[in-house]
Amino acid sequence: DSGVTQTPKHLITATGQRVTLRCSPRSGDLSVYWYQQSLDQGLQFLIHYYNGEERAKGNILERFSAQQFPDLHSELNLSSLELGDSALYFCASGVSDTQYFGPGTRLTVL
Amino acid sequence: AQSVTQPDIHITVSEGASLELRCNYSYGATPYLFWYVQSPGQGLQLLLKYFSGDTLVQGIKGFEAEFKRSQSSFNLRKPSVHWSDAAEYFCAVGAAAIGTASKLTFGTGTRLQVTL
Repeated sequence: DSGVTQTPKHLITATGQRVTLRCSPRSGDLSVYWYQQSLDQGLQFLIHYYNGEERAKGNILERFSAQQFPDLHSELNLSSLELGDSALYFCASGVSDTQYFGPGTRLTVL
Repeated sequence: AQSVTQPDIHITVSEGASLELRCNYSYGATPYLFWYVQSPGQGLQLLLKYFSGDTLVQGIKGFEAEFKRSQSSFNLRKPSVHWSDAAEYFCAVGAAAIGTASKLTFGTGTRLQVTL
């Protein structure tokens, strides 16, 4: 158990819908990272927040957005969902140079 | 830009045999290197990491990895594989950053199958 929690574990929704994925970092970690794992793209970095501020963006679509709240939990919002958004979404938290990953949220878009 | 290559998509070894998973990276400066393992339906678990110093690093579950700058490699090894090691293994590279880790760039993974 890494100490990073993600909810929900599974999410099934329809095209065009909007969903919110939630992540709680390990106690004391100020950084939260979001990654997407799909069969065709592999593991891709999406976005990094540090103590409430966006630090870096990767291959994140404009339909996707994230935020980190004062209690340091983070949410990843995915809107206008397409079939290709079906993937495993991981959150990681870290201190210094190491990232610890949560169990992921499996999103299925039908 | 940083990148990672894991040339072996799938490897099968017998239980008790030795294992080496290959990883080559591309990065302009001294990289931070990681190996993670993902069991089916699970998240990514950190096996070991290299930042600097001794080029042979020890990790959990009996794994070790050796950083070779001249070959841009960071291969993962285990002297005797157990059936429970069957999983997907990911090599990743990150950049040094002040105060907090930068993004990780992952390889495509190597799926390890262990035969009894």
